[in-house]
Amino acid sequence: KNEVEQSPQNLTAQEGEFITINCSYSVGISALHWLQQHPGGGIVSLFMLSSGKKKHGRLIATINIQEKHSSLHITASHPRDSAVYICAVRRGYTGTASKLTFGTGTRLQVTL
Amino acid sequence: EAQVTQNPRYLITVTGKKLTVTCSQNMNHEYMSWYRQDPGLGLRQIYYSMNVEVTDKGDVPEGYKVSRKEKRNFPLILESPSPNQTSLYFCASRFSAGGYTFGSGTRLTVV
Repeated sequence: KNEVEQSPQNLTAQEGEFITINCSYSVGISALHWLQQHPGGGIVSLFMLSSGKKKHGRLIATINIQEKHSSLHITASHPRDSAVYICAVRRGYTGTASKLTFGTGTRLQVTL
Repeated sequence: EAQVTQNPRYLITVTGKKLTVTCSQNMNHEYMSWYRQDPGLGLRQIYYSMNVEVTDKGDVPEGYKVSRKEKRNFPLILESPSPNQTSLYFCASRFSAGGYTFGSGTRLTVV
């Protein structure tokens, strides 16, 4: 079993829909990151979470440390949101706290 | 502009010919790291560095070397590349409590 599991693997939505991508992990972490990989391959960091909730524009990320689960929500989705969304956990609290383990990503396609 | 610069963007090489992929950041970040991305396997960490002269192995370090002689540079060295190192490589950096800034990627093919 992978240490970081994402669901769904693929997601197709119509413009304007509310989207949720889930990430579950099985290891102790110091932080969780959400990344976006554009069709051209570039990777952008969206959020870093260690507790609670963060919001940036139409994107909202939440984390529940006790349940080892995080969600990324996109409100009012748009075709330009089409990308691969990747969850990554920074493992441990001391010397291993810079090891990063990734989920396999969720491919999102938003259509008109 | 704050950025992580990787070079080259594309590289085709032959088995056994030593190569270096360079990575440089202009944000004075302490932490730098290297990843490879393969279809079906996703991103995996190769090496990371917490600061100058401090490096450690990630999950897939075999066949790779790194060095951190200056804060801004973190080159990835393949002493004897093999076809199973054909991959898309990313360098990234961050402050100790911050998010990551990724380079544009290097697509390496070893024939």
